[in-house]
Amino acid sequence: GAGVSQSPSNKVTEKGKDVELRCDPISGHTALYWYRQSLGQGLEFLIYFQGNSAPDKSGLPSDRFSAERTGGSVSTLTIQRTQQEDSAVYLCASSLAGLAVLGETQYFGPGTRLLVL
Amino acid sequence: SQQGEEDPQALSIQEGENATMNCSYKTSINNLQWYRQNSGRGLVHLILIRSNEREKHSGRLRVTLDTSKKSSSLLITASRAADTASYFCATVSGGYQKVTFGTGTKLQVIP
Repeated sequence: GAGVSQSPSNKVTEKGKDVELRCDPISGHTALYWYRQSLGQGLEFLIYFQGNSAPDKSGLPSDRFSAERTGGSVSTLTIQRTQQEDSAVYLCASSLAGLAVLGETQYFGPGTRLLVL
Repeated sequence: SQQGEEDPQALSIQEGENATMNCSYKTSINNLQWYRQNSGRGLVHLILIRSNEREKHSGRLRVTLDTSKKSSSLLITASRAADTASYFCATVSGGYQKVTFGTGTKLQVIP
């Protein structure tokens, strides 16, 4: 079946512009995660959705970052007034029930590579 | 330093050799997973080990977990050039659903 998809795959934008990154999880997966990975670094947790609600937004770096999920499916991560330090690969993952504590596997999308000039 | 730190940061070996990567973490965990990442793109789940387990095998992969030392190791036996990738450990603690990833080990297998 189809995996997690993300769009766009690459985005170049100018400092100060807003960007929207999209994630389509695997059909039927209730949990959705956003991560950020700067060049050569590990993954930084941003936000987690269970259905349409976000019980954990603790990783969002600033109020310029927001995310929503509609219909328990597609999620959009929005970065307003982008800064150069926002340049990174933004990865989305989904899992069936959000039971990470039980070792549930996360399935990752290919990521969106964002470059802010 | 963050939960889940791998060492070495980078490892270069010849094809056919074994590769060992280590992960240390700070808080008690429910489980620990290893993921692989090719070329800075999406991660692929490799293997899960629960906190009450000490060793798991999957094909050429062997994972150990020492909760007293808060550490885990990933062994890839008889490495292949196609194993070249970055490897991350990921931990889940307490009742949270948040998965915390380590900083990764970049493995290069030379043909």
